[in-house]
Amino acid sequence: EADIYQTPRYLVIGTGKKITLECSQTMGHDKMYWYQQDPGMELHLIHYSYGVNSTEKGDLSSESTVSRIRTEHFPLTLESARPSHTSQYLCASSVRDADLSYEQYFGPGTRLTVT
Amino acid sequence: AQTVTQSQPEMSVQEAETVTLSCTYDTSESDYYLFWYKQPPSRQMILVIRQEAYKQQNATENRFSVNFQKAAKSFSLKISDSQLGDAAMYFCAYRSARGGSYIPTFGRGTSLIVHP
Repeated sequence: EADIYQTPRYLVIGTGKKITLECSQTMGHDKMYWYQQDPGMELHLIHYSYGVNSTEKGDLSSESTVSRIRTEHFPLTLESARPSHTSQYLCASSVRDADLSYEQYFGPGTRLTVT
Repeated sequence: AQTVTQSQPEMSVQEAETVTLSCTYDTSESDYYLFWYKQPPSRQMILVIRQEAYKQQNATENRFSVNFQKAAKSFSLKISDSQLGDAAMYFCAYRSARGGSYIPTFGRGTSLIVHP
């Protein structure tokens, strides 16, 4: 399995709380991504980063924010959790590889429930 | 914008049989990459197989092979000798080969059920 980690794996939290979902990778990949995925459904890109101090919003409007201070670390923060944020959050990374395909490597995901 | 369509929300197969998952995509570009990713229940998504558009030969990885029809913009995945461990969501994805374009477009996924 890929060397990309997410913590916590499961989180149940009350409305209005601030939470940070952690993502780290030990592969030295410069590009990292956050996806939101409801169970058994499609992936929606919410944030991405092409390197340190570079972050962009994805296609899906999100009230979360991200930071990329170190290459290996790409945390996602929700300032005030709401029930609509209940979902699975997947972190991924990629790098220029031999065939230039930029295959994505995924973490195990964080399943968030906001009550 | 490119779109990826997986028209089969769910497929089922008997163990040891062969199943084909469909994927079509829409693009005006000539150079791109296509992927099939597998997401087992409660486990990490992993790459199953990839295809470079400029390569005529269909990619193969053990029991997994693709039927890449560039003119038809079709990229189906064939799983031979299906095993219980093949049960998962399968996502087809497209990525442009244009410089600076690193983000793939994913399809909605196909849930594969394997019956013993």
